[in-house]
Amino acid sequence: DTAVSQTPKYLVTQMGNDKSIKCEQNLGHDTMYWYKQDSKKFLKIMFSYNNKELIINETVPNRFSPKSPDKAHLNLHINSLELGDSAVYFCASSQMTGNYGYTFGSGTRLTVV
Amino acid sequence: GESVGLHLPTLSVQEGDNSIINCAYSNSASDYFIWYKQESGKGPQFIIDIRSNMDKRQGQRVTVLLNKTVKHLSLQIAATQPGDSAVYFCAENWGGYQKVTFGIGTKLQVIP
Repeated sequence: DTAVSQTPKYLVTQMGNDKSIKCEQNLGHDTMYWYKQDSKKFLKIMFSYNNKELIINETVPNRFSPKSPDKAHLNLHINSLELGDSAVYFCASSQMTGNYGYTFGSGTRLTVV
Repeated sequence: GESVGLHLPTLSVQEGDNSIINCAYSNSASDYFIWYKQESGKGPQFIIDIRSNMDKRQGQRVTVLLNKTVKHLSLQIAATQPGDSAVYFCAENWGGYQKVTFGIGTKLQVIP
């Protein structure tokens, strides 16, 4: 069983479209995250949710809207996609206490054309 | 910040040799540090961690060293194997909500 699963793995779309990426974890973790990785492999946090509550919201355009229906799911919706949104988006999860290590999904490669 | 202008450092190592990957972290208040390994096409994978009350921690073939005086972290991989080829990230944590910040990464190439 995959611990943190993201769908889709690849997403190619035109500028101006709206798209969603879904993430689910079966680890029983309390906290989930979205990270963006650019072409130089730089990983930057976008959002963090703890038990469905938004706790980290970095400087991200408000075209990006996360939604957490329950603590096992964290989705990312992007409106009016731009060329600069092309990147790999990673979902991750962790326990709030104790071991802080993250478990990452395998990523969603978004290409905006 | 973005990574504009930054280049991914690359370390080439002969198979069987030891590798040392270095990282300078940014926040003197950070109290927890993690090394991740990212293979091509995959997400980062936890390797080893260390808390700020320790200087050294060993795992299987890996050792992490922490020097808080100069805010430096290193990952040592013993007897490097082709399967160790990947991008390695150090990450630091501070704050009550696990705001983990990743370094720029180092690409390790193992030469057979």
